[in-house]
Amino acid sequence: GENVEQHPSTLSVQEGDSAVIKCTYSDSASNYFPWYKQELGKRPQLIIDIRSNVGEKKDQRIAVTLNKTAKHFSLHITETQPEDSAVYFCAASIPGTYKYIFGTGTRLKVLA
Amino acid sequence: ETGVTQTPRHLVMGMTNKKSLKCEQHLGHNAMYWYKQSAKKPLELMFVYNFKEQTENNSVPSRFSPECPNSSHLFLHLHTLQPEDSALYLCASSQDSFTSGYTGELFFGEGSRLTVL
Repeated sequence: GENVEQHPSTLSVQEGDSAVIKCTYSDSASNYFPWYKQELGKRPQLIIDIRSNVGEKKDQRIAVTLNKTAKHFSLHITETQPEDSAVYFCAASIPGTYKYIFGTGTRLKVLA
Repeated sequence: ETGVTQTPRHLVMGMTNKKSLKCEQHLGHNAMYWYKQSAKKPLELMFVYNFKEQTENNSVPSRFSPECPNSSHLFLHLHTLQPEDSALYLCASSQDSFTSGYTGELFFGEGSRLTVL
C-alpha cells in the first residue's frame, strides 16, 4: 500500500544552524507534498508545500525540494530559531482521492 | 481565530460509555476528515466526508461511528472503546476539487484528547 517514510525521528540543532528532514513516498502518482508543523499541544499547520511539476520552493528560511525520479522530498530550515522547535510531518497526496499519507513525524529541537 | 473547532478538548471515558466528539468548520470547505494521532505513529486517516457523503472509511472498527449532517459539522460517535483507542483525535477540513484531482490544504482543529480507562 501507499506509505511515506520520514527521517530522522528526532533532530537537535544549535540555534542558527540548518535542519534537514527527508521523506520518501511509494506511490509515483502522488502529485502534492505538504509539510505540517505541530507545536506542543497545538494543531498541525501547513508551513510549505510543493507540487510535482516543481523541483524546489522557498519561503524565507524554509525550502522544500522534490526529486520525482527518486520519490524523495526534503524540508530545509536555515538559520534555525528556538521557535522552530516542533514536530514536522511530511505528507503525500493521492490524486483522485481525498487522502494524504503522512510520515511518522520529526521532532526538531533547536538549542539556544 | 480558528476556522475548525473541536469539542470537547479532553475526554475520559470507560469502556462501556457512549460519547461523541464534535467538529465544526467555518471555512466553507467541502471536505471534512477525522484523523487519529497516537504517539510515534503517523497521522491515521479514519474517515473522509465530501459534500456530506462519506468517501472514505479507512478500515476503522465499528465502535467508531461518524456522522456528517451538513458540510460544516462532523461528529465521531464512540461506543465500547478499548484502552488502545486512547489518542488525540483531529478533525480537519479542506476545499477540494475532485475533478482536477487537487487535494486542498488541510486545516486542523485543536484536537480532542481521548483517554479510555
